[in-house]
Amino acid sequence: QQKVQQSPESLIVPEGAMTSLNCTFSDSASQYFAWYRQHSGKAPKALMSIFSNGEKEEGRFTIHLNKASLHFSLHIRDSQPSDSALYLCAVSMGYQNFYFGKGTSLTVIP
Amino acid sequence: EAAVTQSPRNKVAVTGGKVTLSCNQTNNHNNMYWYRQDTGHGLRLIHYSYGAGSTEKGDIPDGYKASRPSQENFSLILELATPSQTSVYFCASGDRLGDAEQFFGPGTRLTVL
Repeated sequence: QQKVQQSPESLIVPEGAMTSLNCTFSDSASQYFAWYRQHSGKAPKALMSIFSNGEKEEGRFTIHLNKASLHFSLHIRDSQPSDSALYLCAVSMGYQNFYFGKGTSLTVIP
Repeated sequence: EAAVTQSPRNKVAVTGGKVTLSCNQTNNHNNMYWYRQDTGHGLRLIHYSYGAGSTEKGDIPDGYKASRPSQENFSLILELATPSQTSVYFCASGDRLGDAEQFFGPGTRLTVL
């Protein structure tokens, strides 16, 4: 069974900082990798996804995937207080069964 | 934007009672999912469906049943609720087309006393 682990569990950064979140997975056959953001009391919402090795940038957010090392990451440039949330990584092999990590709680201090 | 709704939003049930959680999506997505979210465990998949009439077991299906009577509706059924099933339940829909994004409903907070 796929194991998905996130680090760190929690993170506090000052406004304007670069934030880096990590996710490791166990099955090298995985095909879909995504980050979701969940504000307190709300539903998770997709941020970005990637299917092949490399980087993908959308605005302040960059996702980086290295399948060989079973690792992908999310980088947030110029972190804002509104970015404070629980960040969940998700991995899937066949677009049917998705595995989520336990999440990283991010707090951005003004 | 894609729309997924859940009902009820909050539910208090008694141990041994039957609970049905409902989910409706207007995205015309083939796939639908039921997750529970607990502190320290993240999101865990209970059941999912590829389309009307189909249900598949996820990672933690014990104590739960699912029903997909139509493309739009997906229900989660707890035949004999137990306190260990106290949790927040999320429904989601998605499709393998495009970026395979899942769209989540607002969640149902279930308390089993």
